Amino acid sequence: GIQVEQSPPDLILQEGANSTLRCNFSDSVNNLQWFHQNPWGQLINLFYIPSGTKQNGRLSATTVATERYSLLYISSSQTTDSGVYFCAVDPTGTASKLTFGTGTRLQVTL
Amino acid sequence: DAGVIQSPRHEVTEMGQEVTLRCKPISGHNSLFWYRQTMMRGLELLIYFNNNVPIDDSGMPEDRFSAKMPNASFSTLKIQPSEPRDSAVYFCASSPAETQYFGPGTRLLVL
Repeated sequence: GIQVEQSPPDLILQEGANSTLRCNFSDSVNNLQWFHQNPWGQLINLFYIPSGTKQNGRLSATTVATERYSLLYISSSQTTDSGVYFCAVDPTGTASKLTFGTGTRLQVTL
Repeated sequence: DAGVIQSPRHEVTEMGQEVTLRCKPISGHNSLFWYRQTMMRGLELLIYFNNNVPIDDSGMPEDRFSAKMPNASFSTLKIQPSEPRDSAVYFCASSPAETQYFGPGTRLLVL
């Protein structure tokens, strides 16, 4: 099956810093999503981004499908950004069989 | 909308007992998914339904696991008999098309 690798595995930032999280995938995909799992375990969908660039407030994401990677940018990080960020992909184009990466654990300190 | 609703939020049971997890998807979403999350294996898709019909159950670990979706607003995941290795957080998610929306999860501990 498709392989999804995320880097870095762990990241510690001071509040206000910027960061870039990376997701590499081993095969062509038609569906790519970024999720944030907060410290209470809730999984929140951040972006549906099979290609191109999207922005939502301090977060933005870019997927270069031809090169099989996606980037999640967090600017001016806040303590509420702490948690685990997952990339999930599906070759079929629907949300039917998402394969999740192992995640990037982010801790934002004061 | 209230989002995806799961119950119970926490379940502690003894090995050999039957466990039933419940999920109410977001109204209007035609796809429903059950996931399991563990430290060792991460997030794994167990089964998904489209229009109440099971489409792919290849992720269901073994015959002890079963899932049903009797109507568009309710699904169950049953484990019988439960084993300690089934301890995990079980998530239900629903989707109208490309994007999945997750419930809060059920934290299951089998002693």
